[in-house]
Amino acid sequence: NAGVTQTPKFRVLKTGQSMTLLCAQDMNHEYMYWYRQDPGMGLRLIHYSVGEGTTAKGEVPDGYNVSRLKKQNFLLGLESAAPSQTSVYFCASSDGQGAWTEAFFGQGTRLTVV
Amino acid sequence: GQQVMQIPQYQHVQEGEDFTTYCNSSTTLSNIQWYKQRPGGHPVFLIQLVKSGEVKKQKRLTFQFGEAKKNSSLHITATQTTDVGTYFCAGRQGAQKLVFGQGTRLTINP
Repeated sequence: NAGVTQTPKFRVLKTGQSMTLLCAQDMNHEYMYWYRQDPGMGLRLIHYSVGEGTTAKGEVPDGYNVSRLKKQNFLLGLESAAPSQTSVYFCASSDGQGAWTEAFFGQGTRLTVV
Repeated sequence: GQQVMQIPQYQHVQEGEDFTTYCNSSTTLSNIQWYKQRPGGHPVFLIQLVKSGEVKKQKRLTFQFGEAKKNSSLHITATQTTDVGTYFCAGRQGAQKLVFGQGTRLTINP
């Protein structure tokens, strides 16, 4: 049971390049989330999804797009990377059957935009 | 929107001293969760509080949920070096959004 897997683990991008971060979970969870973590800022919610085919904006959605075409996958896209998007990105999932369930996190993706 | 504030941002203690971090929300929370992130790692779930005034213990860790369900605290008694890490509280807006506080980074002098 792998849990939540993020791909890639590290990436360096040039300003203006695009990329997609992949999050895959094998726990049949309904809810999936993308967070970014910056020093002193904690975990800030970028986008989230409450089920296959649905997405919603979080606290800091600008510059990012997401898709949830399959229940087990949640993709985070950067269309035109900026240095301000240098961060560690975490994906998480939780069971939507109960409202009060824990979130399981992936190992994180460290992204540097130069 | 909902904001979850956490203080202090950093705390350095001597091994054996106690540690407390506080979490405050601008709105009433449905529940509150606490997570721990070890250096270089990812957040890991510790506990969830649901009821007003609830107190839960896990060995040396004590978690409290305020009567108004707007604040919470985590207290560690007699810290050990294994307690090093960043502690986050997280509140749910409705049943969907999970919003985290800024975290308290705990370092310990052995």
